Amino acid sequence: KNEVEQSPQNLTAQEGEFITINCSYSVGISALHWLQQHPGGGIVSLFMLSSGKKKHGRLIATINIQEKHSSLHITASHPRDSAVYICAAYGGATNKLIFGTGTLLAVQP
Amino acid sequence: DAGITQSPRHKVTETGTPVTLRCHQTENHRYMYWYRQDPGHGLRLIHYSYGVKDTDKGEVSDGYSVSRSKTEDFLLTLESATSSQTSVYFCAISDSSGAREQFFGPGTRLTVL
Repeated sequence: KNEVEQSPQNLTAQEGEFITINCSYSVGISALHWLQQHPGGGIVSLFMLSSGKKKHGRLIATINIQEKHSSLHITASHPRDSAVYICAAYGGATNKLIFGTGTLLAVQP
Repeated sequence: DAGITQSPRHKVTETGTPVTLRCHQTENHRYMYWYRQDPGHGLRLIHYSYGVKDTDKGEVSDGYSVSRSKTEDFLLTLESATSSQTSVYFCAISDSSGAREQFFGPGTRLTVL
């Protein structure tokens, strides 16, 4: 069982829809990261959070430490949001980032 | 964007040949990381560095070595490349440990035939 699991693995949405991507982790953490990777492209950090909620534009990230769960929400989705979204947990015994396998999002016009 | 470059960006090589990938940063960050990305797996840490000449192994370090003689450069070497090392390699930097944001390079696509 992976220490960091994301769901769904693949997601197709219509432009304008509200999108939620989930991340569950089994290790104790001190921070959780959300990253974005466009097809064939580099990896960009979206959020780092250790509690509560953060918002940047149409993106919102939340974390529930007790339930070991984080969500990434995209409001009013747009085709340019199409990408792989990756969560990564920092902490546990190794004190390194542990990455989920990513959620491939396709937003259709 | 953080100043991180990787070279080469693409490489095709044959089994048994040595390969060196370079990561160069202009941010003066202390921590540097090498990851590999493969389908069905999350990014996996190969090696990391916490300062000049200070390096340590990650979870998939077998078959790889690293060196950091200057703050700005972190080299990843495959002494004798194997087909299982075909992957996309990402370098990342951070000014602190993993609880802080990491900035990623553009990646190097390596194919070992």
